Amino acid sequence: GQQLNQSPQSMFIQEGEDVSMNCTSSSIFNTWLWYKQDPGEGPVLLIALYKAGELTSNGRLTAQFGITRKDSFLNISASIPSDVGIYFCAGPGSGNTGKLIFGQGTTLQVKP
Amino acid sequence: GAGVSQSPRYKVAKRGQDVALRCDPISGHVSLFWYQQALGQGPEFLTYFQNEAQLDKSGLPSDRFFAERPEGSVSTLKIQRTQQEDSAVYLCASSPWVAEWNNEQFFGPGTRLTVL
Repeated sequence: GQQLNQSPQSMFIQEGEDVSMNCTSSSIFNTWLWYKQDPGEGPVLLIALYKAGELTSNGRLTAQFGITRKDSFLNISASIPSDVGIYFCAGPGSGNTGKLIFGQGTTLQVKP
Repeated sequence: GAGVSQSPRYKVAKRGQDVALRCDPISGHVSLFWYQQALGQGPEFLTYFQNEAQLDKSGLPSDRFFAERPEGSVSTLKIQRTQQEDSAVYLCASSPWVAEWNNEQFFGPGTRLTVL
């Protein structure tokens, strides 16, 4: 079945550093979504990508839709303590019924 | 505006009990989804409603799981004869679009179910 693999699994960085994480798929996706989840809360949508090669920013966050349509990248610039959380990539599952397939997440910890 | 709300936020059940989890989507949202999230994992799809119609229930793990959305707004996920492996966070998401057109979904805070 469809799978999304995220790397790294976890990151521990210093405040102010830039962060990069990626997501790869075993199959082609036509949409990539990036979510952030804080402890005890539901995922919050950060960025949505719809076109191969697309580069989209949301404040300090930048995400790219890979040319092969099998990967996506999320970058966070000048990290701050509130960036702490779990970042998930997601894409549409097969059958076009709207269900999302999620990666296993990248856990980010920021040291002040 | 108000986001997706879920109740209860926490539920402890004894093995074999039935539970009902409620989701109030964002007002006017057409699509509603249920996901199950095990500890340390990403959410996994359970079922999808477009208005009151359940169009995809392929992710429901067994016939003990049942979901409904009778009036096309509030939804209830029911688990009968709960088992320990049902312990997880159950997330509800809604979307203003028909799911086939746009995949962006907005999640509630989840209900953490613990089965003893």
